[in-house]
Amino acid sequence: AQKITQTQPGMFVQEKEAVTLDCTYDTSDQSYGLFWYKQPSSGEMIFLIYQGSYDEQNATEGRYSLNFQKARKSANLVISASQLGDSAMYFCAIVSTGANNLFFGTGTRLTVIP
Amino acid sequence: DSGVTQTPKHLITATGQRVTLRCSPRSGDLSVYWYQQSLDQGLQFLIQYYNGEERAKGNILERFSAQQFPDLHSELNLSSLELGDSALYFCASSVSLPQGASGNTIYFGEGSWLTVV
Repeated sequence: AQKITQTQPGMFVQEKEAVTLDCTYDTSDQSYGLFWYKQPSSGEMIFLIYQGSYDEQNATEGRYSLNFQKARKSANLVISASQLGDSAMYFCAIVSTGANNLFFGTGTRLTVIP
Repeated sequence: DSGVTQTPKHLITATGQRVTLRCSPRSGDLSVYWYQQSLDQGLQFLIQYYNGEERAKGNILERFSAQQFPDLHSELNLSSLELGDSALYFCASSVSLPQGASGNTIYFGEGSWLTVV
């Protein structure tokens, strides 16, 4: 079984500041992938960043980075230099071997304050 | 733009009716997924196809069915619609099967907003 837990229903951050969105996961598989997606109010689901369980380096994509702590089973998303356009729902998701699909957390709503 | 195309973007229909949602995956992607997002249930996996074959099934109701055609596009059929079926339906695609830490990124379309009245 796989499970994603996002404990922060809502977060606020000042524009230009950095923010960390928490994600913990549970899986018994050794091989798994962790994803973060952004969902603006318009509804689309936008892929942000991916981390594989065997990756030794933390993934980075522009202003997004993933703080991957395998022993703690956490995969927190760090957004640097927040922008107003970052205001959205953010979902953490996991895919394990043989699951053939993503399991999502409940999401965190981020609001960037000018 | 993810490259995954979903139509229609919005539709309103009456209870008891049937609708078909269409999805064109990204060019080269063989795997297609369908998800339902509602306010009370969150994001729920419905079904997955790989190169025309069903490979995984989630919480898909018997009133719902899907298929992936030889040209790799997919359709999700929703019948005997109920008010509770109102949701945002996502199609997603990836090059291959997810396979754990394979690095297969799953890209989502913009979704089809279904309102049942």
